[in-house]
Amino acid sequence: AQSVTQLDSHVSVSEGTPVLLRCNYSSSYSPSLFWYVQHPNKGLQLLLKYTSAATLVKGINGFEAEFKKSETSFHLTKPSAHMSDAAEYFCVVSWGNTPLVFGKGTRLSVIA
Amino acid sequence: GAVVSQHPSWVICKSGTSVKIECRSLDFQATTMFWYRQFPKQSLMLMATSNEGSKATYEQGVEKDKFLINHASLTLSTLTVTSAHPEDSSFYICSAKGQGDSYEQYFGPGTRLTVT
Repeated sequence: AQSVTQLDSHVSVSEGTPVLLRCNYSSSYSPSLFWYVQHPNKGLQLLLKYTSAATLVKGINGFEAEFKKSETSFHLTKPSAHMSDAAEYFCVVSWGNTPLVFGKGTRLSVIA
Repeated sequence: GAVVSQHPSWVICKSGTSVKIECRSLDFQATTMFWYRQFPKQSLMLMATSNEGSKATYEQGVEKDKFLINHASLTLSTLTVTSAHPEDSSFYICSAKGQGDSYEQYFGPGTRLTVT
């Protein structure tokens, strides 16, 4: 079965330092890839998506992600964390018309 | 564009009663809508997929008689939790996919259900 693995359940960074949230997926052929952010008791907000165009994808709020086919990875990065970035982040993958496959989520904490 | 709303945003009901949650696509026609359930500190779990005008397809382990889904129009899907019990308390999120969208779903803000 197709799967998505978010390698860290919790990441803690200091404000102003870089953020790296890791995501790997199981299939060898190119899916569509998404990163969503969820603040407490809120729905999901799309940060960015990859759909077979440029491998480096820029999203909102300074986030970006790079699709690496050889590594089946789609890690999310941000150069400088802000307190407002503290939230839950989900890596989500779609293979054609099949249902979305969600990672288990990574909780990002930002320390002042 | 591509806004999805849910109503209510939160609801408290007594055990044994039924509660209906609405999911609306505000600025596009949603041929397919999805219902997810999310437990605290966990990821989203797909409950069912509904296509306008046809019966919903439920994921394994989801009781179709308990979670009634109706997708009566291209902009509205409803989830009714029948004979609710405290274990049904959860965060329910819907999403919608438009015509021609093969991969992207637009998510609603979620509904917090608490059954007392």
